[in-house]
Amino acid sequence: ETGVTQTPRHLVMGMTNKKSLKCEQHLGHNAMYWYKQSAKKPLELMFVYSLEERVENNSVPSRFSPECPNSSHLFLHLHTLQPEDSALYLCASSLGQGGDTEAFFGQGTRLTVV
Amino acid sequence: AQTVTQSQPEMSVQEAETVTLSCTYDTSESDYYLFWYKQPPSRQMILVIRQEAYKQQNATENRFSVNFQKAAKSFSLKISDSQLGDAAMYFCAYRSAWQGGSEKLVFGKGTKLTVNP
Repeated sequence: ETGVTQTPRHLVMGMTNKKSLKCEQHLGHNAMYWYKQSAKKPLELMFVYSLEERVENNSVPSRFSPECPNSSHLFLHLHTLQPEDSALYLCASSLGQGGDTEAFFGQGTRLTVV
Repeated sequence: AQTVTQSQPEMSVQEAETVTLSCTYDTSESDYYLFWYKQPPSRQMILVIRQEAYKQQNATENRFSVNFQKAAKSFSLKISDSQLGDAAMYFCAYRSAWQGGSEKLVFGKGTKLTVNP
C-alpha cells in the first residue's frame, strides 16, 4: 500500500460512454500525475498538477479531461474514447518540492474501450 | 528531451542467483535522479532504488544495488540472491533535479523478470 488509491480497478466502456477515473492520496503531497501504460511502450506522462493547477498537458486528446479539485484528489474524465485508448491508467503523487524525493503510484485502472 | 532505454524486454534468473538489468539514458543535464521501479502482477509500481547523479557512490538497498556510470549514461540494477517475489516488470526512470513544482518521470519500456525455482 503506497498511500495512493485509484478507483475503479477495472473499467469497460463503450465508445459513446462517459466515465471518470478517481485518484486519492493522503500523503500530504502537492503534485499529482496521470500516466498511461500501454503494452510494449514506456509509461507516457499525460497530465501534471502542482498545487491544484495543471502545469503540464502532454498533447493529450481532448476526450481526456483531468480535474484536480483539491490537493488530495485527481480525476480523469473520459468521453467518446477510441479502442486504442485501452490501457492501464496510473495515478501518482509526490511532494512537488524537488530534491531527493520519490513519486508514489496507485494500482491503476485497467480501461477497456469496446 | 530525455530518453530512457531498456534493451532487455525479458530476463530470467534462477532462484538464489544474481541478475543484472540494463538501462541507458540520454540527457544534457548534469543534475538528475535515476530510479528503478518494480511492478508486480498487482500493478502497484514500487520504488526499488534511486540514485542522484551527483553522488559517486552506487546506491544499495539490501539485495538490490546499482552500477551507475555517469559518463556512459548507464544505470544497471543488480539483484542478488533472487527470490520468487522478485518476479515483476522492472522500469528504469529518469527525473530532472529541478522541475518547478513536480517530480515527473521519464520511463523506459521495462524488463520482465522471471525467477525460476
